[in-house]
Amino acid sequence: ELKVEQNPLFLSMQEGKNYTIYCNYSTTSDRLYWYRQDPGKSLESLFVLLSNGAVKQEGRLMASLDTKARLSTLHITAAVHDLSATYFCAVDRRTSGSRLTFGEGTQLTVNP
Amino acid sequence: ETGVTQTPRHLVMGMTNKKSLKCEQHLGHNAMYWYKQSAKKPLELMFVYNFKEQTENNSVPSRFSPECPNSSHLFLHLHTLQPEDSALYLCASSQGSGTTDTQYFGPGTRLTVL
Repeated sequence: ELKVEQNPLFLSMQEGKNYTIYCNYSTTSDRLYWYRQDPGKSLESLFVLLSNGAVKQEGRLMASLDTKARLSTLHITAAVHDLSATYFCAVDRRTSGSRLTFGEGTQLTVNP
Repeated sequence: ETGVTQTPRHLVMGMTNKKSLKCEQHLGHNAMYWYKQSAKKPLELMFVYNFKEQTENNSVPSRFSPECPNSSHLFLHLHTLQPEDSALYLCASSQGSGTTDTQYFGPGTRLTVL
């Protein structure tokens, strides 16, 4: 059974600081997704990482994937209040089509 | 707006009621999904439909009954629910094939079972 673990589950940080969210998973997979969820809203796709060593960046967020370590990271650079949300990683257990197993989510709060 | 809509957005029902949740996607996708999001638990995949055919049922109790009349619409029929079924129910859609098969989520239905 595929297990996906995120840490930390709660993160409170100051504006301007950097931090990293970690996503570990238990079985081989070459596809990993990061989603963002604002309170009371749905999930918004941020990144899809398809291969070992993949790195993607959008604004202050950068995601990477190490399939050998079964680890993905979401790095936040110079955080701003607008980044406050819950971030989920999700691992796909299929090579075609989609069957996602989600982590518990990391609730990020960026304080002024 | 992701192109996936859900109605109603909020629903309160008693344990003896019957209700239905509706999901519609305007993205031309072939796969649709139901998820349950409970407090302090990861999203749980409930059902998957590909080209209107159910391809996955993750041991969901029979009081939840999905229906997919076409590739654009997905329903979740609810009857004799329990208070522990209170949660946010999310619908998603994707192409259903290919190496990049990003799922796009609807806004969810917040269900409260009294």
